[in-house]
Amino acid sequence: DTGVSQDPRHKITKRGQNVTFRCDPISEHNRLYWYRQTLGQGPEFLTYFQNEAQLEKSRLLSDRFSAERPKGSFSTLEIQRTEQGDSAMYLCASSSEDRVGGYTFGSGTRLTVV
Amino acid sequence: GEDVEQSLFLSVREGDSSVINCTYTDSSSTYLYWYKQEPGAGLQLLTYIFSNMDMKQDQRLTVLLNKKDKHLSLRIADTQTGDSAIYFCAEGDSSASKIIFGSGTRLSIRP
Repeated sequence: DTGVSQDPRHKITKRGQNVTFRCDPISEHNRLYWYRQTLGQGPEFLTYFQNEAQLEKSRLLSDRFSAERPKGSFSTLEIQRTEQGDSAMYLCASSSEDRVGGYTFGSGTRLTVV
Repeated sequence: GEDVEQSLFLSVREGDSSVINCTYTDSSSTYLYWYKQEPGAGLQLLTYIFSNMDMKQDQRLTVLLNKKDKHLSLRIADTQTGDSAIYFCAEGDSSASKIIFGSGTRLSIRP
């Protein structure tokens, strides 16, 4: 297993465009999380999935944001009509059911909105 | 609400011990974590402790938990230049829905 993979590593987009990020979790992990990290801050929780079900969404996740995990494996995070304030590192993590060992994070997708 | 606080910076001399402190507010926290983030890299889980434990030691790392004061610390013995990074404290409850992170402590090492 190669750990949690995120694609792309970097994305530069113009304001108003839509972007989509992909996350491939560790295969035996049934929980998948999306976080956002801005410069000088810790990761902020966005949403999480158990298998294909999206069980919690943060208030940070405006209606321009949507996340899916259609088959309980990989997940996508889409941002519509991007704004400059969306510029951040988007982190994906996965964990086992009991989460005893904490999360395993991917390297993130850095989004820059110009 | 849930909140995790840490001091922003810590500077120590190479070879000394580093102690990074963290306070949290959620009394239902079950798991407390320390993550390390090096420049340009993702977060790496260093260690974690259950809320029913007071201390956990793992090689150069010692975690102390004072549940009454909701205070967590990470001690790194014999600090090396490779320990330079941002260290995040995080807490989670037994529902396992999410982990809440602090803002991170940047550890720098002086020669």
